[in-house]
Amino acid sequence: NAGVTQTPKFQVLKTGQSMTLQCAQDMNHEYMSWYRQDPGMGLRLIHYSVGAGITDQGEVPNGYNVSRSTTEDFPLRLLSAAPSQTSVYFCASRGQGASNYGYTFGSGTRLTVV
Amino acid sequence: QQQVKQSPQSLIVQKGGISIINCAYENTAFDYFPWYQQFPGKGPALLIAIRPDVSEKKEGRFTISFNKSAKQFSLHIMDSQPGDSATYFCAASPLGAGSYQLTFGKGTKLSVIP
Repeated sequence: NAGVTQTPKFQVLKTGQSMTLQCAQDMNHEYMSWYRQDPGMGLRLIHYSVGAGITDQGEVPNGYNVSRSTTEDFPLRLLSAAPSQTSVYFCASRGQGASNYGYTFGSGTRLTVV
Repeated sequence: QQQVKQSPQSLIVQKGGISIINCAYENTAFDYFPWYQQFPGKGPALLIAIRPDVSEKKEGRFTISFNKSAKQFSLHIMDSQPGDSATYFCAASPLGAGSYQLTFGKGTKLSVIP
């Protein structure tokens, strides 16, 4: 059982480049989220999805796009990378229902924009 | 607007001592309060969680205390060990609708020294 898999683990981008951070989960979880983690800022929600075909914005969505064509995959796209997007990105998932409120996190993608 | 305030930012505890991390929230719609533990280079992992129908929850050496009237909750780590050295995040969300939007505190870096 792999849980939540994020790729790549590390990435360096030049300002203005675009890229997609991949996230896949094999737990049949309905809810998936993307967070960014910056020093002293905790984890901030970028986008989330409550099921295939349904996405919505979180606290810091500007500069990012998401889509959810399948239950398993939830990619995060950076449209035109900026140095302010240098961060560690975490994908997380959880199931529905009162017994499933705990999120499972991936191991993260460390992104540097130069 | 920071909806979950966490303190202290860092904490140094002697092995065998008690580590205490505090969080306060503002949104009265929050009904689920988890704590996550994160080791360097890893994603956060759910440690323990509480709902407001109880004032305390204990799992091994970890205890959450919850004060609904004060809108505060805290994590106590008894008999702290060097292996507990990590960053701890408190979080909060509603139950039911909106439960997928987890709001995190900024984190506490705990160092347990031998």
